[in-house]
Amino acid sequence: EIVLTQSPGTLSLSPGERATLSCRASQSVTNYYLAWYQQKPGQAPRLLIYGASSRATGIPDRFSGSGSGTDFTLTISRLEPEDFAVYYCQQYGSSPGVFTFGPGTKVDLK
Amino acid sequence: QVQLVQSGAEVKKPGASVKVSCKASGYTFSDYYLHWVRQAPGQGLEWMGWINPASGGTKYAQKFQGRVTMTRDTSINTAYMELARLRSDDTAVYFCGRQYNKWHLLPSTPWGQGTLVTVSS
Repeated sequence: EIVLTQSPGTLSLSPGERATLSCRASQSVTNYYLAWYQQKPGQAPRLLIYGASSRATGIPDRFSGSGSGTDFTLTISRLEPEDFAVYYCQQYGSSPGVFTFGPGTKVDLK
Repeated sequence: QVQLVQSGAEVKKPGASVKVSCKASGYTFSDYYLHWVRQAPGQGLEWMGWINPASGGTKYAQKFQGRVTMTRDTSINTAYMELARLRSDDTAVYFCGRQYNKWHLLPSTPWGQGTLVTVSS
């Protein structure tokens, strides 16, 4: 079973700054089956990125995903006030139809 | 509009079972898989499994095998998640979420509003 590790645990930034979030897998993620979600307090998660680098419908282009194998990155090019939230990576390639979330990275206001 | 509406909060004793419902509207229920994801207080997201409403086929996370059952009733466009032998660490908000689109299985919008299940003696 693939285990996902996210770093840092918390990222303290200001609006307008660039955010770089890391997700590392314990073994190679098949076929780039890596997704990123955003979650705000009291809300369900929101899919941002799937297939490691494809933006989901309606997601602004300041969000981008990259990486392959065991190392993946979510980049927010310029933080907007509404981007302060918790971000989770998720893999879905290790076993068909099985999904695993990482522990999350909190992006908070500096 | 496309939406998922879940049943209300539950309080259960350890060892009991809970059954949470997720009613779909605004789209063809059998066309999209439904996932269940839970979140304990102050903790991260945990994927529990999915159900294919068309066939009733399911896939569960290994952690919940033998304790979770996902079913559906296509006559009322409703999916169910039943968790047995509840423990205090099953206290969480349980979400249902629809498959992203017909080509990508991963969970996405719409989501249900979440159902808080509290397990306490």
